Amino acid sequence: GQNIDQPTEMTATEGAIVQINCTYQTSGFNGLFWYQQHAGEAPTFLSYNVLDGLEEKGRFSSFLSRSKGYSYLLLKELQMKDSASYLCAVPHAGNMLTFGGGTRLMVKP
Amino acid sequence: DVKVTQSSRYLVKRTGEKVFLECVQDMDHENMFWYRQDPGLGLRLIYFSYDVKMKEKGDIPEGYSVSREKKERFSLILESASTNQTSMYLCASKESGTEAFFGQGTRLTVV
Repeated sequence: GQNIDQPTEMTATEGAIVQINCTYQTSGFNGLFWYQQHAGEAPTFLSYNVLDGLEEKGRFSSFLSRSKGYSYLLLKELQMKDSASYLCAVPHAGNMLTFGGGTRLMVKP
Repeated sequence: DVKVTQSSRYLVKRTGEKVFLECVQDMDHENMFWYRQDPGLGLRLIYFSYDVKMKEKGDIPEGYSVSREKKERFSLILESASTNQTSMYLCASKESGTEAFFGQGTRLTVV
């Protein structure tokens, strides 16, 4: 089985940096995904971490620590369009992909 | 571009009706998924298929069944729709070790 926890909501200011945490427990780690989902739309892929460390992709970075069962998504230079839900997901039992409850990020001017 | 297409964007059905939600992907992916998404509950896995005619129950399979007769098509069936199955339904497909791609979602209302 697996258990994935994320904060429910976060608020940040335009131009700032925000870190969204995800902790997980899974039998047989096979990578961790981050997705972005705007209201009324389908989730879109942001990042995939398999090895420990930080992976940077423009304004977005994702960090993984397998020994701690912990990941975070770092968003820099926040823009209003970054207001969305951010979903952490972990595959288990091979490819069965399970999601956390998602973190709703509100960016304020 | 990978395309995952769900047959309907919006659907209204009556209680007790048999409902079919269809999903087709065009990238020859082995794995396909059906999720439902409700406010405050995130994406919950209903069923997963890792090959033709192969399926596994997810976290909330009760009241649902699935069919995968062809690799590209994964159908979700509500045998007898109930009002508590009103939700957004999302289909996804993925290859091993890569990200999942989602359809646009079907907003089902059961009245």
